[in-house]
Amino acid sequence: DAGVTQSPTHLIKTRGQQVTLRCSPKSGHDTVSWYQQALGQGPQFIFQYYEEEERQRGNFPDRFSGHQFPNYSSELNVNALLLGDSALYLCASSPLDRGETQYFGPGTRLLVL
Amino acid sequence: GNSVTQMEGPVTLSEEAFLTINCTYTATGYPSLFWYVQYPGEGLQLLLKATKADDKGSNKGFEATYRKETTSFHLEKGSVQVSDSAVYFCALSVGAGNNRKLIWGLGTSLAVNP
Repeated sequence: DAGVTQSPTHLIKTRGQQVTLRCSPKSGHDTVSWYQQALGQGPQFIFQYYEEEERQRGNFPDRFSGHQFPNYSSELNVNALLLGDSALYLCASSPLDRGETQYFGPGTRLLVL
Repeated sequence: GNSVTQMEGPVTLSEEAFLTINCTYTATGYPSLFWYVQYPGEGLQLLLKATKADDKGSNKGFEATYRKETTSFHLEKGSVQVSDSAVYFCALSVGAGNNRKLIWGLGTSLAVNP
């Protein structure tokens, strides 16, 4: 049973560019959450998707957007990249009826130059 | 509001020493509590959890007890190994149904020396 997978593992972009990160949830999971983890910090909640809709959102600007597909996989898009967007982006999945426990992927490390 | 406070690191121990990492929380209602571990260069792994007061979560020799009276969920291990070197995060789950999300502490770095 594959766990949560994310792609790519690493990415380098320049300021002003746009980036798309991808996540496939654990088998049987239908809820996907995205987190940003800056170096030396704890994860910060970006948003959560269920039934292809954004269900809740953390304190992130509209430059951060997402999508969930019918197969429950998800994308995180960040527009107009800033240097401060450099971080590890983590995807977590959970089954709605036992949604308290979230299972994390290995993350995508984004560096903005 | 909801928040998690962890003891600051880094914590440096010798192999076989006793480990305690303190975690206290502020929350409305009765949240579930978690410890996650992050090994160098990797994502987060669930270490243990407790869903109600007085529950004890345990895994891989680590334990934590949900103490409602002190709003704490301290992580303990009786004898640490070099392989336990990682960053440990305490978190609580708030909301219900499809509005659940995790609130995180800042993490505590643990280094275990042989």
